[in-house]
Amino acid sequence: QKEVEQNSGPLSVPEGAIASLNCTYSDRGSQSFFWYRQYSGKSPELIMSIYSNGDKEDGRFTAQLNKASQYVSLLIRDSQPSDSATYLCALRANQAGTALIFGKGTTLSVSS
Amino acid sequence: DAGVTQSPTHLIKTRGQQVTLRCSPKSGHDTVSWYQQALGQGPQFIFQYYEEEERQRGNFPDRFSGHQFPNYSSELNVNALLLGDSALYLCASSLRGTGEKLFFGSGTQLSVL
Repeated sequence: QKEVEQNSGPLSVPEGAIASLNCTYSDRGSQSFFWYRQYSGKSPELIMSIYSNGDKEDGRFTAQLNKASQYVSLLIRDSQPSDSATYLCALRANQAGTALIFGKGTTLSVSS
Repeated sequence: DAGVTQSPTHLIKTRGQQVTLRCSPKSGHDTVSWYQQALGQGPQFIFQYYEEEERQRGNFPDRFSGHQFPNYSSELNVNALLLGDSALYLCASSLRGTGEKLFFGSGTQLSVL
């Protein structure tokens, strides 16, 4: 069983819409959760971190965490073409020390 | 403030050869982690160095080794290269004790022919 699951997409949304990216994980002991954005040919860039159940908002981005359902999501409001990238969900599993475990990523395409 | 720097940016090797990749962490960071990202996959943890010692290791064979220097820079060495080692190798730095907020370098694209 894969530890971090993401739908690879592509997820296509029109400009101005809300993009919803989802991630599930298998280790109930996971403590910390992250969303990274990776443009094609570039390195991952941290955009959100979340540690507690509930929502965390930062500008147009909202991360949602539900530990009981082992589910993390990222909402992007007012999507822009510049948001077109691969979004990687990552977590620090309880048994993995400080290493991060990444999902395969979801490719988002925002059309103008 | 310099970010994480990696060299070289691209590298082409043949099977059986050895390769060394280099990384300088972000200013103020003391911990370096290495990740391998195959095409279409998420980064996979190789190992982490802190205080010049390997502190944690992922599921990679002994062909993968590393080193951290007193100035916190790091090297990743891969021996006896296989075709399957072709990937983007990412270095990430962080400050121990401040959580897992990693800052990634631009990576080294390794092609094994």
